[in-house]
This record gives sequence, structure tokens and C-alpha cells, in this order.
Amino acid sequence: AQTVTQSQPEMSVQEAETVTLSCTYDTSESDYYLFWYKQPPSRQMILVIRQEAYKQQNATENRFSVNFQKAAKSFSLKISDSQLGDAAMYFCAYRPAKYNFNKFYFGSGTKLNVKP
Amino acid sequence: EAGVTQFPSHSVIEKGQTVTLRCDPISGHDNLYWYRRVMGKEIKFLLHFVKESKQDESGMPNNRFLAERTGGTYSTLKVQPAELEDSGVYFCASSQDRGATNEKLFFGSGTQLSVL
Repeated sequence: AQTVTQSQPEMSVQEAETVTLSCTYDTSESDYYLFWYKQPPSRQMILVIRQEAYKQQNATENRFSVNFQKAAKSFSLKISDSQLGDAAMYFCAYRPAKYNFNKFYFGSGTKLNVKP
Repeated sequence: EAGVTQFPSHSVIEKGQTVTLRCDPISGHDNLYWYRRVMGKEIKFLLHFVKESKQDESGMPNNRFLAERTGGTYSTLKVQPAELEDSGVYFCASSQDRGATNEKLFFGSGTQLSVL
């Protein structure tokens, strides 16, 4: 069964510094998608970044980048030059590419605090 | 463009009562999903609609939960009778592409349900 594990319930970072959020997952599939979603307080959850498992190159979106290690089943999120607006809950998610591809599997989330 | 809206944002009820949550997806989105996050745990899939049809309801906890999507527009999730363990945040999400493995999910802000 697919599972997603986020081992850091809460993290803090100083404004302008860099922080890395960890995520590991378990699957027997070879093709899948990985995501990081962000949920600011009382607001909608939005997609931060997405990685296709068949791509070796790590995805990057402005200050957000991932370190995708397929063999280790690891998918960490790096936030560079942290801003106050980055404070949120971050959820790592896995989605199969073939069977049951309409079902996302999420981790338990990491609450990120950004200190001014 | 209006996003996914959920109502109410918060609901506090007593054990044994009935609660109905509503989700309005983005107009034109055939796919509608319900997810739930119990305090501190991972976000779990409940069910998936394609238009008005239930495509996958494998995540529904038990028969106290009833989801509908009459007419393929908005959806309701009714819990009757509510139990303490039903407390959590209920998320709704929608997407446009049917069967596309690169589809993007749009989430609502969630309904925080507290059963006392």
C-alpha cells in the first residue's frame, strides 16, 4: 500500500534563510507523481511543486526546489530565501500514474514557522 | 475565476447529531473529491465523483457517511449520526481532466468539524 511519511511535525526558519522539509513514501509502482502542497492558515491548499517519477531532473519553481531520490523513495522540499508568506502547513503527496490514479496519498503535514 | 468553496468553514455539533458539509467545485470541473484530515494525521481520501457518479468511495469510513452530487455540480457530505472520531478537517477538491494523469487538484479551504 502507498504511504507517505513526513517526520517533521513542525519546523522553524529565519526569514531569508533556507529550510528543507522531509518526505518519504512507500510504493511498489515505478511510475507516479509526487507533490508538495501548501496550506496557509484558514486558506485553500495550493500546489507548490510537482515531480514526475520518470524524470531524473529535480523540479524547481522559483524559490522552491525538490530533492527527488527515487531509489531511496525520498522527496524533500527546499525553500530558499524564506519569506513570511511561506508560513503554512506543507503536505507531501503521492499519486499513482496508472492504477487508481485519481487517488492522492498525503502525509501528515509539516507546519512551517517563519521568524522575522 | 471562483475557486473551490466549502461551507461551513467550521461546525461544532454534539455526538449523535447530523451535519451536512457542502462543496462547490470550480465550474466545469467533472472530478470532485472529498478528503479528511483527523487531528495531526495524514489527509485521507474519502471518495471521488465524476460528474454525478461515484467513481471510487473506498475511503468512506462507514455507512454513517453519505455523499451526493446531484446534477454533477455541488456536492454534500452528510454525517449521521456524528461520532467523536468524525472530528477533523474535511477538504473538497476538484479537477477538470478526466483520466489525465497530470491533472491538477484545486482544493477548498476545508470544513473544520468538531464533534463534542
